[in-house]
Amino acid sequence: DAGVTQSPTHLIKTRGQQVTLRCSPKSGHDTVSWYQQALGQGPQFIFQYYEEEERQRGNFPDRFSGHQFPNYSSELNVNALLLGDSALYLCASRRTMGYEQYFGPGTRLTVT
Amino acid sequence: AQSVTQPDIHITVSEGASLELRCNYSYGATPYLFWYVQSPGQGLQLLLKYFSGDTLVQGIKGFEAEFKRSQSSFNLRKPSVHWSDAAEYFCAVGAGAGSYQLTFGKGTKLSVIP
Repeated sequence: DAGVTQSPTHLIKTRGQQVTLRCSPKSGHDTVSWYQQALGQGPQFIFQYYEEEERQRGNFPDRFSGHQFPNYSSELNVNALLLGDSALYLCASRRTMGYEQYFGPGTRLTVT
Repeated sequence: AQSVTQPDIHITVSEGASLELRCNYSYGATPYLFWYVQSPGQGLQLLLKYFSGDTLVQGIKGFEAEFKRSQSSFNLRKPSVHWSDAAEYFCAVGAGAGSYQLTFGKGTKLSVIP
């Protein structure tokens, strides 16, 4: 049983560019959340997708957007990258009626 | 809004010694509480969770945690630490039904002396 997978593993971008990160949820899970983890900090909630719609959003600007596909996989898009966007981006999935979230290995984004 | 405080940034213990990592939360209703572990460069692995019922919960890898409502705490314990337990540990609180956003503490880094 495959867990949550994310791609790519690492990414280097320049300020002002745009980036897309991808996530495939654990088998049987239909809800995907994205978190940003800055160096030395705990993860911070960005948003959650269910039934291809954004259901909840944390305190992140509109530069952060997402999408969920019919197969429950998800993308996180960040526009106009800033140096402060450098972080580990974690995807988590769960079942609709489940409270346990399972995390992927993350994508390390470096903005130069 | 909920919040989580992990007072200890870094803890060092000897292999075989007991361990307790502290976690205090702030939330107006009954919280859903979690402990996750993160090895360097890795994602988060769920160690244990508390939703309701017995306030002492058992998790994987020999860890346990106790929910104390009066102290707003959910401390993580292990009777005998192994070198492989060296990692960063995060406590998280989830809001009640209908909201599954997790709020994390800043983490406690555990170092184990052989």
